[in-house]
Amino acid sequence: QSALTQPPSASGSPGQSVTISCTGTSSDVGGYNYVSWYQQHPGKAPKLMIYEVSKRPSGVPDRFSGSKSGNTASLTVSGLQAEDEADYYCSSYAGSNGYVFGTGTKVTVL
Amino acid sequence: QVQLVQSGAEVKKPGSSVKVSCKASGGTFSSYTISWVRQAPGQGLEWMGRIIPILGIANYAQKFQGRVTITADKSTSTAYMELSSLRSEDTAVYYCARVWFGGNWFDPWGQGTLVTVSS
Repeated sequence: QSALTQPPSASGSPGQSVTISCTGTSSDVGGYNYVSWYQQHPGKAPKLMIYEVSKRPSGVPDRFSGSKSGNTASLTVSGLQAEDEADYYCSSYAGSNGYVFGTGTKVTVL
Repeated sequence: QVQLVQSGAEVKKPGSSVKVSCKASGGTFSSYTISWVRQAPGQGLEWMGRIIPILGIANYAQKFQGRVTITADKSTSTAYMELSSLRSEDTAVYYCARVWFGGNWFDPWGQGTLVTVSS
């Protein structure tokens, strides 16, 4: 099972938006509506930000949104804030292969 | 609110095994699975496998088949991940994470356990 493909980096100024893509195959991203996104600050455990493509857990700001088209999912962070600077990982259910994570994207707030 | 608390850091020799624990506090194993995910230094997340604690059934990522064993003790709400034949490339932080039945996302996560493999 190959990792999902994410851009290594993304950046934006405070208040701007940034969108991160996550490309897989029909066996994972394209085959199930079970894409989730995680935020990870240095030295910390990942934190769930989006599940089932576009749903936000309680406590996650509505600045975070998710979508999917075909084999590619996306995470958009609107109104960037300094605390959004972190690594972001997508994940997808992959049927009998379990789960697969993305390669990770470092978001920098300029 | 379930919290997952993992055992402490380990230093192991190449060729040996390591067993990491993950205890669920504030809840039980009744309606979810526990997955193990690792992260090598400066690298991304990698799913290793999962267990359904109430059934004791585990399945593993192909990469780790034959080298990883995931078990669970229902009486103590604790899951375990044992990795054998350790090599330097296994140096990583190992996380446990909960996945609800019917859901396929990881929440919450344990705090992570650093395993260092060095001679």
